[in-house]
Amino acid sequence: AQTVTQSQPEMSVQEAETVTLSCTYDTSESDYYLFWYKQPPSRQMILVIRQEAYKQQNATENRFSVNFQKAAKSFSLKISDSQLGDAAMYFCAYSYSGGGADGLTFGKGTHLIIQP
Amino acid sequence: DAGVIQSPRHEVTEMGQEVTLRCKPISGHDYLFWYRQTMMRGLELLIYFNNNVPIDDSGMPEDRFSAKMPNASFSTLKIQPSEPRDSAVYFCASSTRASANYGYTFGSGTRLTVV
Repeated sequence: AQTVTQSQPEMSVQEAETVTLSCTYDTSESDYYLFWYKQPPSRQMILVIRQEAYKQQNATENRFSVNFQKAAKSFSLKISDSQLGDAAMYFCAYSYSGGGADGLTFGKGTHLIIQP
Repeated sequence: DAGVIQSPRHEVTEMGQEVTLRCKPISGHDYLFWYRQTMMRGLELLIYFNNNVPIDDSGMPEDRFSAKMPNASFSTLKIQPSEPRDSAVYFCASSTRASANYGYTFGSGTRLTVV
């Protein structure tokens, strides 16, 4: 079974600084997808960024980028120029890409605090 | 599209009562997922459906939990009888096979409190 581990229960960063959230996963598959979701206090799950395992190039979305290390099974999220609106829970998630949609496996989450 | 719609947003019930949570997936999405979120266990997949058929219910914690999808636009998650340890946020998400590679669309969740 796949597992996703987020080793940082909480992180704090000054506004405008850069922060990196860690995620490792375990799978025996070679084709899969990885995601970072943001959950603000409103509780809504918002997709931040995705990475296809067969692509070596790291995904970027504006201030958000990932460092995907397939051999190390590591998938960290970097947030540049942190803003107050970035304060939220962040979840790393894994999905096997073979067959149909069979569910996302989530890490326990990292609570990100932005200090003004 | 209005997105995935869940109701109610909040539910408070007494131990032993039956609770029914509702979900309307995005039109055209043929996969529907129920997740439970707690502080201790994080987000857990309870069950998912494809074309209204339950595919994997291995995450359903006990026989007190049941889920149905009578048609493509509606699903329910029922807890009978409810217990305080069932208190959690329950999310519904939907997808197609193709869009699953771009992440699932989640509803706003139902916060269930069993007292």
